[in-house]
Amino acid sequence: GAGVSQTPSNKVTEKGKYVELRCDPISGHTALYWYRQSLGQGPEFLIYFQGTGAADDSGLPNDRFFAVRPEGSVSTLKIQRTERGDSAVYLCASSAYMNTEAFFGQGTRLTVV
Amino acid sequence: AQRVTQPEKLLSVFKGAPVELKCNYSYSGSPELFWYVQYSRQRLQLLLRHISRESIKGFTADLNKGETSFHLKKPFAQEEDSAMYYCALAPTNAGKSTFGDGTTLTVKP
Repeated sequence: GAGVSQTPSNKVTEKGKYVELRCDPISGHTALYWYRQSLGQGPEFLIYFQGTGAADDSGLPNDRFFAVRPEGSVSTLKIQRTERGDSAVYLCASSAYMNTEAFFGQGTRLTVV
Repeated sequence: AQRVTQPEKLLSVFKGAPVELKCNYSYSGSPELFWYVQYSRQRLQLLLRHISRESIKGFTADLNKGETSFHLKKPFAQEEDSAMYYCALAPTNAGKSTFGDGTTLTVKP
């Protein structure tokens, strides 16, 4: 595909469960970003990868959140012991290099019940 | 700390009228400023960035460092401009962007 792809598009999980959210960036893009968007708010930065390494993870809210990008392409956002407050749309974006135009995926809507 | 404020949650104008979406920011250095747009049922996309100084779809935005503002303007709004608009700030040479909470623009026929 030509754009950033996120799977699943929707995820409903029970409080306390573990979830993984996947992001397939545009081929060749070295920079990858995760954001979280709650209802009525703008996207909130979580983590930024440059290649395989997390260049800035200052937005991860606590140690239940973790993200990887082992081969510098696909990334997975992992949330342990989910809480109802984690319910939000999780957005992924990629760009050719840092601070070039970022292309967003359609998001994963996570609902914790 | 960096912060972006979009004071209007909702903005409604008639087709052909001028429109201005306000954005104020706070940041101690020299940031890069962006406007993103999200049309109904579409993904978030970049509209323009201040360093390119382009006019996209008739929209322009001027960075005013004295007033720390980056307002988005269009002289004649069109119905297809109806969308959610987000202003964002990124420190130079940093990947992290801070977004405002957005303004929903409705252009009435």
